[in-house]
Amino acid sequence: SAVISQKPSRDICQRGTSLTIQCQVDSQVTMMFWYRQQPGQSLTLIATANQGSEATYESGFVIDKFPISRPNLTFSTLTVSNMSPEDSSIYLCSVEVDRETTEAFFGQGTRLTVV
Amino acid sequence: RKEVEQDPGPFNVPEGATVAFNCTYSNSASQSFFWYRQDCRKEPKLLMSVYSSGNEDGRFTAQLNRASQYISLLIRDSKLSDSATYLCVVRASNDYKLSFGAGTTVTVRA
Repeated sequence: SAVISQKPSRDICQRGTSLTIQCQVDSQVTMMFWYRQQPGQSLTLIATANQGSEATYESGFVIDKFPISRPNLTFSTLTVSNMSPEDSSIYLCSVEVDRETTEAFFGQGTRLTVV
Repeated sequence: RKEVEQDPGPFNVPEGATVAFNCTYSNSASQSFFWYRQDCRKEPKLLMSVYSSGNEDGRFTAQLNRASQYISLLIRDSKLSDSATYLCVVRASNDYKLSFGAGTTVTVRA
């Protein structure tokens, strides 16, 4: 299993500003992901955080808006840049420890409100 | 068409009742199937994997129908603590990414 510490748990931000969300895992993991979950909707994958290289973004998400860092196998950050009210959502960090079991573990989520 | 579709519910059932719901997936190459549980304002957590032959875990039974591309979850003898949103999750054989349904909300009342 994996224990994930994600922070902040929530924030209220002014439009035009940026917020960086941190995800710390208690063990080294190969795969780390960032998701967005809007109210009443499914989790949408933003990107796969790659250790030592640029993240792999999904369609509709770009690096300028959602820069991601992954300096090592236990830590990643997601920045939501130049925020607008449409960015209000829950952002979740996720990891997979073992490809055999394929269980995904999630951080507690960051509830972001942009005003 | 969404990759994974679920009846959003809500399913409002009394304690002790049986509740069942389905999820359909569009990618015929899907290989791995899961049910996750998400409590209000919490992160998703794995409830159970779904195997081809169907599987049980206590009061929970999951079934997979590859021909019709759907999976189901049945909860027997519902408890108040079963109230949650149940997410259907699918992975294709040629992909590491997970596809999530929007969730089915179950409310068990006393």
